[in-house]
Amino acid sequence: DAGVTQSPTHLIKTRGQQVTLRCSPKSGHDTVSWYQQALGQGPQFIFQYYEEEERQRGNFPDRFSGHQFPNYSSELNVNALLLGDSALYLCASSRSSSPEAFFGQGTRLTVV
Amino acid sequence: QKEVEQNSGPLSVPEGAIASLNCTYSDRGSQSFFWYRQYSGKSPELIMSIYSNGDKEDGRFTAQLNKASQYVSLLIRDSQPSDSATYLCAVNTINQGGKLIFGQGTELSVKP
Repeated sequence: DAGVTQSPTHLIKTRGQQVTLRCSPKSGHDTVSWYQQALGQGPQFIFQYYEEEERQRGNFPDRFSGHQFPNYSSELNVNALLLGDSALYLCASSRSSSPEAFFGQGTRLTVV
Repeated sequence: QKEVEQNSGPLSVPEGAIASLNCTYSDRGSQSFFWYRQYSGKSPELIMSIYSNGDKEDGRFTAQLNKASQYVSLLIRDSQPSDSATYLCAVNTINQGGKLIFGQGTELSVKP
């Protein structure tokens, strides 16, 4: 049983560019959440998708957007990248009936 | 006041000792509590979930919850060098897959 998978694992982008990160949840999970983790900090909630809709959103600007597909996989899009967007981006999947969340290996984004 | 607070450490214990990690939270409506372990450069791994007051044991790990004091802790018995990692406390206020609020993590170092 594959766990949560994310792609790519590492990414280098230039300021002002746009990036798309991808996530496939664990089998049987229908909810996907995205987190940003800066070095030395705990993960910060970006948003959560369920039934292809954004269910909750954290304190992130509109440059951060997402999507969930019918197969429950999800994308995180970030527009107009800033140097401060450099971080580890984590996808977590869960069942809608349970608060337990399981993380993928993350995507390390570096903005130069 | 931060929503979830942890001592950043580092906490250093000798091999075989008990490591005690503490976490306080501010929202009395919090219902679900989690401990994640994060090795350097890796993503968080769920190691314990606790939902009601008292102790929950799983192998060498014991989670303790006191909702009146808004306090949750993790004890690691017979600590091993392989336990050296950052431990993240996470809190959920909606018991049906809501967002997780993380502390900044406590770095644990187990010395041989």
